[in-house]
Amino acid sequence: AQSVTQLDSHVSVSEGTPVLLRCNYSSSYSPSLFWYVQHPNKGLQLLLKYTSAATLVKGINGFEAEFKKSETSFHLTKPSAHMSDAAEYFCVVSTSGGYNKLIFGAGTRLAVHP
Amino acid sequence: GAVVSQHPSWVICKSGTSVKIECRSLDFQATTMFWYRQFPKQSLMLMATSNEGSKATYEQGVEKDKFLINHASLTLSTLTVTSAHPEDSSFYICSAPPRGQGAYEQYFGPGTRLTVT
Repeated sequence: AQSVTQLDSHVSVSEGTPVLLRCNYSSSYSPSLFWYVQHPNKGLQLLLKYTSAATLVKGINGFEAEFKKSETSFHLTKPSAHMSDAAEYFCVVSTSGGYNKLIFGAGTRLAVHP
Repeated sequence: GAVVSQHPSWVICKSGTSVKIECRSLDFQATTMFWYRQFPKQSLMLMATSNEGSKATYEQGVEKDKFLINHASLTLSTLTVTSAHPEDSSFYICSAPPRGQGAYEQYFGPGTRLTVT
């Protein structure tokens, strides 16, 4: 079965400093992995996705993630945090076959301080 | 980009009553839609997969007779919470992959907050 583990429930950074949100996955085959962001009172938005192409994936708003099979990781990074990045972030793995189901991690709440 | 809407955005109902939540894909067709439930400060849990023209598929532990799903058209799925109880209070979110794109591009609705008193 597929699963994802987000290693930090809360991350706090200062504006302008790097962001690292950690995610490890478990899958019996080559997975499809996603990062979604959820702002208060807004729908989930796809930041980026990995679907067995390039291992370094660039997403929107300056975020990127690197798929590391040897470490079963898919950490999300951003060089410089902005106040607007404060939100809940979910690492997600897709199951196999047909219209794939999405399995969500527990989420990481990112706080950005001035 | 593709837009998924939900109606209502929030609803309060009395215990024992039923409430219907709509999920619409506004500018694309979706043969499949997904329904999730999110409790406060928790992650999204998949409840069921809604299939246009056929029965929904429910995840283990989700009561199909309590959470009725109808996918009547390629742009509309409804979730009806029957005989609601306070423990059903939650944030319900739907998502839809555009037809033919699997799960690689799923678009999420803004969610419906249900409070059962």
